[in-house]
Amino acid sequence: ETVMTQSPATLSVSPGERATLSCRASQSVRSNLAWYQQKPGQAPRLLIYGTSTRATGIPARFSGSGSGTEFTLTISTLQSEDFAVYYCQQYNNWPPYTFGQGTKLEIK
Amino acid sequence: QVQLVQSGAEVKKPGSSVKVSCKASGGTLSRYTITWVRQAPGQGLEWMGRIISSLGVANYAQKFQDRVTIHAEKSTSTAYMELNSLRSDDTAVYFCATGDVGSSWYDYWGQGTLVTVSS
Repeated sequence: ETVMTQSPATLSVSPGERATLSCRASQSVRSNLAWYQQKPGQAPRLLIYGTSTRATGIPARFSGSGSGTEFTLTISTLQSEDFAVYYCQQYNNWPPYTFGQGTKLEIK
Repeated sequence: QVQLVQSGAEVKKPGSSVKVSCKASGGTLSRYTITWVRQAPGQGLEWMGRIISSLGVANYAQKFQDRVTIHAEKSTSTAYMELNSLRSDDTAVYFCATGDVGSSWYDYWGQGTLVTVSS
């Protein structure tokens, strides 16, 4: 099973600043990585797939990069609605398609 | 685009079973692979298994292999996840999810179903 490790567990950032979230895979997942945002009481929302392709309706301030085992989600200018938990997920190595444990992005 | 609507919350006794449904609308179920993901209170997302609706083939995470059954009913565009031998640590919100045809990421999610296992 491919283990996905996200860091940090919690990230405190002020609105208007940049946030950088990391995701590491225990083995290569090539570019088969997605990012999700989850707010309390809601289902996850797809942000990014294929490492860097934004899903429909996702603002340009969200960007993804990386390949192989190291990946990054960057939120360029944090808005109030961006404070949430973020998960990465690999869909290259089967089974199963594993998620990271999440990074909580909180207001500083 | 497809919408997924799940059945309501359940309270179950340890050792019993639960069956959660996921009805797809706005698209033909047979076009989609439906995946089940669960989230224990305050915890992250855990991939459980999936059903390739067009083939009726299900795949499971090893952790759940012996206790979970996922199937799809094309006539009603509904997928089901049944979990047996429930334990207290199965208390979680269970989500169904799917993506555009051919994708392995999840664009569309159900609203989640809370399953509480308690004596």
